[in-house]
Amino acid sequence: KNEVEQSPQNLTAQEGEFITINCSYSVGISALHWLQQHPGGGIVSLFMLSSGKKKHGRLIATINIQEKHSSLHITASHPRDSAVYICAPSKGGAQKLVFGQGTRLTINP
Amino acid sequence: NAGVTQTPKFQVLKTGQSMTLQCAQDMNHNSMYWYRQDPGMGLRLIYYSASEGTTDKGEVPNGYNVSRLNKREFSLRLESAAPSQTSVYFCASSGVSSSYEQYFGPGTRLTVT
Repeated sequence: KNEVEQSPQNLTAQEGEFITINCSYSVGISALHWLQQHPGGGIVSLFMLSSGKKKHGRLIATINIQEKHSSLHITASHPRDSAVYICAPSKGGAQKLVFGQGTRLTINP
Repeated sequence: NAGVTQTPKFQVLKTGQSMTLQCAQDMNHNSMYWYRQDPGMGLRLIYYSASEGTTDKGEVPNGYNVSRLNKREFSLRLESAAPSQTSVYFCASSGVSSSYEQYFGPGTRLTVT
C-alpha cells in the first residue's frame, strides 16, 4: 500500500466549479506540502502546512493530523488551474518528502 | 534571484557513460534535494543534503553519487548510466527563508540508450 494516496487521480471540471483534491497518508509527518506541476513540467510549491488551514487567493489547503488527511480546494476554477497537483508529506527535520501520485486536473472553459 | 538552476536541460547518454547534473540555488537555503520523476511512479527522493558538508541517501540512491560542493551547489553524478536511469531529474532547495517550502529547479530530462 502506498504511503500517500490521492484522489481522484484525474478530474475534469467546467470553469467556475469548486474543486476538491484529497490526500491520505499513513506515515508520521512533520508537515505536508501541496505542489503544482504545470503542463510544461515545472513544479511550484503551493502550501506547506502542519495544522489547520491556509489560504492563498482561490486556493485553500486544510489538514487533519489526527485523521492523516489533507484537502486542497480551488474556488472559482479557471482553465489556467489545469495542472497536476501533488500531495507530499514530509518526514523528519530534513523535510524529506514522500510524494503522492498526483491528481491531473483539467478545467474546461 | 534566479532561484534554483539546473544544467543541462536535456541529455542523451549511452549505457555505461558518466555525467554530472549540476544544481545551484541563490536563496541561502541550507537543505538541497535531488528527485527523479518517472511516468506512473511520481517523484522519488534520490539524495538530500540537510546542510553544507552533509549528504544522505533517499529512497532510490543506487547508481548515483552526490556532492554538496558549498552552500549553493549540489551535484548528482551517474558513474555508469543505465537505461533504468532514464527519467526527469529535479533539484530542490529549502530553508528558513522559505519557511521550509521547497523550491524546485526546471528539471533535466535524461535519456539513456
